[in-house]
Amino acid sequence: DTAVSQTPKYLVTQMGNDKSIKCEQNLGHDTMYWYKQDSKKFLKIMFSYNNKELIINETVPNRFSPKSPDKAHLNLHINSLELGDSAVYFCASSWSVSTDTQYFGPGTRLTVL
Amino acid sequence: GDSVTQMEGPVTLSEEAFLTINCTYTATGYPSLFWYVQYPGEGLQLLLKATKADDKGSNKGFEATYRKETTSFHLEKGSVQVSDSAVYFCALSEAAGNKLTFGGGTRVLVKP
Repeated sequence: DTAVSQTPKYLVTQMGNDKSIKCEQNLGHDTMYWYKQDSKKFLKIMFSYNNKELIINETVPNRFSPKSPDKAHLNLHINSLELGDSAVYFCASSWSVSTDTQYFGPGTRLTVL
Repeated sequence: GDSVTQMEGPVTLSEEAFLTINCTYTATGYPSLFWYVQYPGEGLQLLLKATKADDKGSNKGFEATYRKETTSFHLEKGSVQVSDSAVYFCALSEAAGNKLTFGGGTRVLVKP
């Protein structure tokens, strides 16, 4: 009965590789998000989708590509991984794009070696 | 653009002490304000929120009041427990896209 789930929980990979992180929510929400938390715990939004449509795309390198196959899923694909991509990535969801409470997943810790 | 500033930690307290974490914000419109908590090794959980001026959010003994005149949303708890040790994030969201803008987080350590 997990609300927002992410896989994998940990991801260790080499520079230059391509990897994906998956997110699923079973709350029936229309809107999903990706946030990045750096080593100093600073959190910043990367993307948001509403009903599979991209709403927010912050200044994120185009190596990062979100994909939303349906409104319950928002995956994050990262090409040509760099050391600076090491972080914890959080997925979140909310009922809509208005100022609704966002519910966060447990996070995926990505380590690029 | 929007921004949130909160006091830097770590804040170290003894059990049953009073906790205050200051949070101030800058926003162009009328944001909703949130406190999220992150326990060690876990994701973020909503602690409380307020959607308009003078609203008070409360949960688990924590309280925060939306003060538009001082653009603040300070978090308080009257008597902390060891289990309150965590990182606390103040955040705001404006209607356009519901983008959460976070403060830098405040680590709180409660000692028995």
